[in-house]
Amino acid sequence: EVQLLESGGGLVQPGGSLRLSCAASGFTFSSFAMSWVRQAPGKGLEWVSAISGSGGSTYYAESVKGRFTISRDNSKNTLYLQMNSLRAEDTAIYYCAKDYFASGFSGRMDVWGQGTTVTVSS
Amino acid sequence: DIQMTQSPSSLSASVGDRVTITCQASQDIDNYLNWYQQKSGKAPKLLIYDASNLETGVPSRFSGSGSGTDFTFTISSLQPEDIATYYCQQYDNLPTFGQGTKLEIK
Repeated sequence: EVQLLESGGGLVQPGGSLRLSCAASGFTFSSFAMSWVRQAPGKGLEWVSAISGSGGSTYYAESVKGRFTISRDNSKNTLYLQMNSLRAEDTAIYYCAKDYFASGFSGRMDVWGQGTTVTVSS
Repeated sequence: DIQMTQSPSSLSASVGDRVTITCQASQDIDNYLNWYQQKSGKAPKLLIYDASNLETGVPSRFSGSGSGTDFTFTISSLQPEDIATYYCQQYDNLPTFGQGTKLEIK
């Protein structure tokens, strides 16, 4: 069974940093692109970032470009999101999601984790 | 960015009703359009991909249609377990989502 389990969320002050992790199992992790998608309290879904299976290509939403860094460790089947210079508007549930295609990044996300909550507040 | 305009934002219907949600893209996205269902407190679940293809295991009362800029999502006979918020999402370019449609039972 394909599973994604996020961790690393918490309360952080504005301007602070946090690193999220997503542990994957049940599929060949290195073959698939992965994304982070967030959802602010009571709001809709916003795609944040993606990374190719090899890690050689990365993609970011304008709202996080220059502040967030996506990476992966294929030996550990784990996806990461390093979040720096955090703002109140980054407060959200962060989901990791697997891309459907085993080649490059498409944006068709077929499996999602349960999410980890990030709160940016003083 | 490609903007996705979804309507209505909320919808109340009775069990057994036919329910339709629309989604319009700000530019031609061919058929690179997904529909997700998100139940309260849960992660989104992919229901429809490539505008009209049903994900494995999804009941056949769910369907999708459209191409280019205009898309439709339909539940042919609403069931109590269908109460959720539904999102369209394009992936012709970097992914963007519609604002969501909150579906309630009348």
